[in-house]
Amino acid sequence: DVKVTQSSRYLVKRTGEKVFLECVQDMDHENMFWYRQDPGLGLRLIYFSYDVKMKEKGDIPEGYSVSREKKERFSLILESASTNQTSMYLCASSFGREKLFFGSGTQLSVL
Amino acid sequence: KQEVTQIPAALSVPEGENLVLNCSFTDSAIYNLQWFRQDPGKGLTSLLLIQSSQREQTSGRLNASLDKSSGRSTLYIAASQPGDSATYLCAVRPHTGGGNKLTFGTGTQLKVEL
Repeated sequence: DVKVTQSSRYLVKRTGEKVFLECVQDMDHENMFWYRQDPGLGLRLIYFSYDVKMKEKGDIPEGYSVSREKKERFSLILESASTNQTSMYLCASSFGREKLFFGSGTQLSVL
Repeated sequence: KQEVTQIPAALSVPEGENLVLNCSFTDSAIYNLQWFRQDPGKGLTSLLLIQSSQREQTSGRLNASLDKSSGRSTLYIAASQPGDSATYLCAVRPHTGGGNKLTFGTGTQLKVEL
């Protein structure tokens, strides 16, 4: 089975800190995604990447950037964390347009 | 813009009951539709994926159907068990634009009671 691993289950950061969320997949998927999930708002796409060094903005990219230097790894960066970025962050990957596989999520709290 | 609706938002049933979860979408130009399960505080687990050319997919006690023309999918769970308690989400993958901007429903929270 595909494994998508997110480096942290829980993170607590302070306002203004630079935050890195890491995601690794083990199935050579070309597509990788970052979503955030908030009560009442569902899943919203932040960024996705369809190849190494390639990225596209999703629906809510403001305040975030991403990095994909290796095919298996996709990083989400909060340049200067703010309290409204407190959320559950979910990484996913897929081969082409096929099944989407998710990691276990990172619950980020920004104080 | 694609919109995905899941009604009801919450459902409580006794153990052993067969049940149907609904997913509606507004734009029928989809590539596929995927059903997920999410336990509290966890990521999403893929249950079933239906391609746009298919009518249904089955896995164990789960059966998902797709009627693209009417913009509807259903997830049928047979002989429900307390372990089925979770939130169930559907997501549609578009046919256009590279197909990477999926749209998710907000989910149906299912509770199966003893």
